[in-house]
Amino acid sequence: GQQVMQIPQYQHVQEGEDFTTYCNSSTTLSNIQWYKQRPGGHPVFLIQLVKSGEVKKQKRLTFQFGEAKKNSSLHITATQTTDVGTYFCAGPAQGGSEKLVFGKGMKLTVNP
Amino acid sequence: DAGVIQSPRHEVTEMGQEVTLRCKPISGHNSLFWYRQTMMRGLELLIYFNNNVPIDDSGMPEDRFSAKMPNASFSTLKIQPSEPRDSAVYFCASSTQGGYTFGSGTRLTVV
Repeated sequence: GQQVMQIPQYQHVQEGEDFTTYCNSSTTLSNIQWYKQRPGGHPVFLIQLVKSGEVKKQKRLTFQFGEAKKNSSLHITATQTTDVGTYFCAGPAQGGSEKLVFGKGMKLTVNP
Repeated sequence: DAGVIQSPRHEVTEMGQEVTLRCKPISGHNSLFWYRQTMMRGLELLIYFNNNVPIDDSGMPEDRFSAKMPNASFSTLKIQPSEPRDSAVYFCASSTQGGYTFGSGTRLTVV
């Protein structure tokens, strides 16, 4: 079945470091979404990318959608302790429904 | 806008008891989703409704689980009888076009 995979599953960085996390889909996606879940919280929608090769920035976060629309990346610049949480990517299920297929998430911890 | 409202926030129940989780979606959102989150399995979609009609319930684990959406502003997820393996955080989310808005979740513990 359709799968969305995220690598790495865990990332531990020193405060101030940059890092990138990746999301790969087994199928071509019409769009890709990213969510952030703080410890003990609920997933919060961050962004949606629709166009092939699209790049969007939110402050220190840069999101990119691959040219083939099967992968995406999230790059965080100068990581802060407020960035701690689990980041999920998600893509629409095949068949054109509103159902999203979520990756298993990338858990970020930051050493102050 | 109060967002998606779920109740209760926490539920502890004994095995075999009936559990009902409640959700009020954002007004105007025509799709509602029930997810279960565990460490082992991540976020799993249980069921989703569009315009109050169940569209996909393929994620519902078994007959012990049932969900209803009697109107556009209310949905329930019922587990009867509950089992310890049902312990998880249950999220409700709603959307129109684009990203989901999740509720704060119900943390269910079945002992």
